[in-house]
Amino acid sequence: KAGVTQTPRYLIKTRGQQVTLSCSPISGHRSVSWYQQTPGQGLQFLFEYFSETQRNKGNFPGRFSGRQFSNSRSEMNVSTLELGDSALYLCASSFSLNYGYTFGSGTRLTVV
Amino acid sequence: AQSVAQPEDQVNVAEGNPLTVKCTYSVSGNPYLFWYVQYPNRGLQFLLKYITGDNLVKGSYGFEAEFNKSQTSFHLKKPSALVSDSALYFCAVRDEGNQFYFGTGTSLTVIP
Repeated sequence: KAGVTQTPRYLIKTRGQQVTLSCSPISGHRSVSWYQQTPGQGLQFLFEYFSETQRNKGNFPGRFSGRQFSNSRSEMNVSTLELGDSALYLCASSFSLNYGYTFGSGTRLTVV
Repeated sequence: AQSVAQPEDQVNVAEGNPLTVKCTYSVSGNPYLFWYVQYPNRGLQFLLKYITGDNLVKGSYGFEAEFNKSQTSFHLKKPSALVSDSALYFCAVRDEGNQFYFGTGTSLTVIP
């Protein structure tokens, strides 16, 4: 059974650009959540989707957005990139809300 | 403010000895509590969770955790440590608003 797949693995963008990250959950999983991991702030929750609906959102600016498709795949978008957005972005999927999540390997975004 | 604390950045234990990785939280209401493990060069993996019921929760790889409401703690334990348990451990809390909070992680080293 394939795990959570995140693409791309690495990304370098220029300040002011926008970026889209993709996440394919484990087959059968309907809940997808996104996290930002940095050395200074640790793991921070971005948002969670279930059945194409955003269920909750962390404390991030509106430049961070996401969506979930009918096949449970999810995308995360960051507009007007800032240097501080450089981080490892992790996606996780679960069968349902409040089950344990399975994490992907992440997309490492570097903003220059 | 809601938060999760893992007071020890590093825990060292001899192989065969019991291990404890500490976690305390400051979240209002009745939170859901999770432990995740990150092995070197691998993604985060779900270990166990507490939603309700028995305060002692058993999870993967022989780990267990004890929920203590009065002390707002959810310490991770294992009766006999293995060298292969060496990894980074994260405690996570989901509050009643469905926000996730992660601890900063504890690096566990099991010494042969």
